[in-house]
Amino acid sequence: EAQVTQNPRYLITVTGKKLTVTCSQNMNHEYMSWYRQDPGLGLRQIYYSMNVEVTDKGDVPEGYKVSRKEKRNFPLILESPSPNQTSLYFCASSPRVKGEKLFFGSGTQLSV
Amino acid sequence: RKEVEQDPGPFNVPEGATVAFNCTYSNSASQSFFWYRQDCRKEPKLLMSVYSSGNEDGRFTAQLNRASQYISLLIRDSKLSDSATYLCVVNGPLTTDSWGKLQFGAGTQVVVTP
Repeated sequence: EAQVTQNPRYLITVTGKKLTVTCSQNMNHEYMSWYRQDPGLGLRQIYYSMNVEVTDKGDVPEGYKVSRKEKRNFPLILESPSPNQTSLYFCASSPRVKGEKLFFGSGTQLSV
Repeated sequence: RKEVEQDPGPFNVPEGATVAFNCTYSNSASQSFFWYRQDCRKEPKLLMSVYSSGNEDGRFTAQLNRASQYISLLIRDSKLSDSATYLCVVNGPLTTDSWGKLQFGAGTQVVVTP
């Protein structure tokens, strides 16, 4: 089944403890991206990647890192989480190089 | 000012009625436009792209007004299952800074009642 798999679904952590949220897609998509969703603000793009080893900042990249060593995986790393990073996170991939027609993972609810 | 703005609603709609709502965008050079649907706290799913000439997909009609910089979504013969939040998505202009950047509206909530 074609899908974007995100793990974990729920994560509770403490300030400063490094964490990684994994994202994997099995559709051979070039484009992948991360978003956070907060009430009243909608989805905001954190980072995106249009190809392996190519990553670019979205609108809210501060406090996050990503890597794209393989086409299928695009992990989101929080080196030192802070309470303002408490949010609902979505990973997405797209067959289109500009990121249109996104397929989303089922989300990760993070509480710091 | 937000780059993509939507009326948050909720739009309370009787079953079988028609509902329409807009999304405004600030960048006149925006290239691509989409509507996504999101059920409560679940992942967004692509509903439809919005083409310059307007387009329909069953009960859903999307329109683009470049002069006034807004897109619209109209739902005819509303079903209970149409209750959701509808997200407007705009792709940036074709510059190296914005290539691949997508801007999401905060969403319009639609509640269809029996």
